[in-house]
Amino acid sequence: AQKITQTQPGMFVQEKEAVTLDCTYDTSDPSYGLFWYKQPSSGEMIFLIYQGSYDQQNATEGRYSLNFQKARKSANLVISASQLGDSAMYFCAMREPPAQGGSEKLVFGKGTKLTVNP
Amino acid sequence: DSGVTQTPKHLITATGQRVTLRCSPRSGDLSVYWYQQSLDQGLQFLIQYYNGEERAKGNILERFSAQQFPDLHSELNLSSLELGDSALYFCASSVARTGGNTIYFGEGSWLTVV
Repeated sequence: AQKITQTQPGMFVQEKEAVTLDCTYDTSDPSYGLFWYKQPSSGEMIFLIYQGSYDQQNATEGRYSLNFQKARKSANLVISASQLGDSAMYFCAMREPPAQGGSEKLVFGKGTKLTVNP
Repeated sequence: DSGVTQTPKHLITATGQRVTLRCSPRSGDLSVYWYQQSLDQGLQFLIQYYNGEERAKGNILERFSAQQFPDLHSELNLSSLELGDSALYFCASSVARTGGNTIYFGEGSWLTVV
């Protein structure tokens, strides 16, 4: 079964600095997708970035980038120039490979709570 | 705004009651997923529908059921509610049955069972 591990329950960063949130995954399937979501205290789940297992380059979306190290099975999220509004829970998730029936369900890690200090 | 709409945003109900949560997927998205987020269980996949048909089932209790209608909106029905059903229920959507790169979530429905 697929598994996602986020080892940092909480992280602190100073405003304007960069921060890396760790995520490791476990799968024996060669085809998979990795997602990061942000959940502010208001509760909504906001899609940030996606990395496919066959993508040659690391994904980037604005201030978010994904440090994808396939051999180490890690997909760390890097947030550059942190802002106060970045304070939230961050979840790493893996899309299960399509099996018979074609599910794309996501398996989530337990999350990392990021606090950005002024 | 993800484009996924969920109603109601907040719901308080008593044990033993039945509630219906509604979800409208993003325009053009055919797949709808339901997730439950609770403090002790984290984010759990409940069920997926694709173009009106059930595609995958996760940790969904027998007291819960869902369906996707011809206009692609979906409803999650929770019956004989227990205190432990209190959670944030998310709907998510994606365009594809398989191979999609993005799965967008709605803002969630907060359910409190008292």
